[in-house]
Amino acid sequence: QLQLHESGPGLVKPSETLSLTCTVSGGSISSSSYYWGWIRQPPGKGLEWIGSIYYNGSTYYNPSLKSRVTISVDTSKNQFSLKLSSVTAADTAVYYCAVGTGDLDYWGQGTLVTVSS
Amino acid sequence: AIRMTQSPSSLSASTGDRVTITCRASQGISIYLAWYQQKPGKAPKLLIYAASTLQSGVPSRFSGSGSGTDFTLTISCLQSEDFATYYCQQYYSYPWTFGQGTKVEIK
Repeated sequence: QLQLHESGPGLVKPSETLSLTCTVSGGSISSSSYYWGWIRQPPGKGLEWIGSIYYNGSTYYNPSLKSRVTISVDTSKNQFSLKLSSVTAADTAVYYCAVGTGDLDYWGQGTLVTVSS
Repeated sequence: AIRMTQSPSSLSASTGDRVTITCRASQGISIYLAWYQQKPGKAPKLLIYAASTLQSGVPSRFSGSGSGTDFTLTISCLQSEDFATYYCQQYYSYPWTFGQGTKVEIK
């Protein structure tokens, strides 16, 4: 049973880069045919898929965020990461890491990131 | 991007009721459709994938159907722990997209 845990700063200043890490336990990030991804949820609103990285390294991003997003994997640490640049207040949300084969079987507990000076 | 539209946006129901939520895709997505349940302050939980396949451990009162553009999630006998918000998600093409959610409240 995979377990995911997000970590990173809870407060980011406008125009800076949001950086989050998802640590995976219960399985190897490099040995499964999974998509490892990020989803966010602004307070009181719905879910938005940010992007995913396939186990072979291929990346897929939401076009609405593509110019600002980078998702990468560190197989040595069994982690994958999200970087979102040039953040504004509109990027304030709970950020979830999740994994699956399209449907998202396993989710982290989520971490709230607030963009504010 | 494929737009996913859920209806209703909210509903009130009583324990024991049969509840149906619909999800419509703006273009055909075959059966690449998942349903999630989310409770306040918690991560979404996968209930159904491939439109009608029940995720392991999910009670059999939950069922899904549909293909192409029209899908339904049915809860056959609503229990107290089922009061939550439900989302559909398509994974037929990028970007993966979610419906806006349906909040199931206690009548």
